[in-house]
Amino acid sequence: DVKVTQSSRYLVKRTGEKVFLECVQDMDHENMFWYRQDPGLGLRLIYFSYDVKMKEKGDIPEGYSVSREKKERFSLILESASTNQTSMYLCASSLIVPGSNTEAFFGQGTRLTVV
Amino acid sequence: SQKIEQNSEALNIQEGKTATLTCNYTNYSPAYLQWYRQDPGRGPVFLLLIRENEKEKRKERLKVTFDTTLKQSLFHITASQPADSATYLCALDMTMDSSYKLIFGSGTRLLVRP
Repeated sequence: DVKVTQSSRYLVKRTGEKVFLECVQDMDHENMFWYRQDPGLGLRLIYFSYDVKMKEKGDIPEGYSVSREKKERFSLILESASTNQTSMYLCASSLIVPGSNTEAFFGQGTRLTVV
Repeated sequence: SQKIEQNSEALNIQEGKTATLTCNYTNYSPAYLQWYRQDPGRGPVFLLLIRENEKEKRKERLKVTFDTTLKQSLFHITASQPADSATYLCALDMTMDSSYKLIFGSGTRLLVRP
């Protein structure tokens, strides 16, 4: 079974702190994604990456950055956490199959609270 | 930009009935559409994928339709059970040269009463 593991289930950070959310997948997937989920807004794509050291902005990249130094690991960085970044963060991964489309596998989520 | 709409109001049905959830999209023509289930406090789990050239897809009690003219997908759960209670999300691919990204709707919560 594909496993996507996020480093923390719950995290509380102070405003202005630099925050790292880590995600590791064990199935050699090329694609990795970071979403945030807020009530009534659904999953919104922050950043995604289709290869090592490659990254693409999603729909709401402001205030975030990412790092993908190894294929299995995709990190989300909040350079200076703010209260409006309090949310559930979800990491996902998927294969890239030319001419096709494959499902995404999600981690269990990290509920981040910025105080 | 692309927009995906799912009914934000919860769907409340009696056990044994068929649940029908709707996903509408605009400003895009996806080649694929996916449906996921999400339980509280958990990440979404993939259920079904349907291609643009497929009208219908079935998996056990689940059925998905994809109407590219109407820009709509319907997700049906027949003989619904209380264990089917969850939030259901539709997702569209946006394929680019060397990658694709998945864009999700906000989901519809389904409640199945015993």
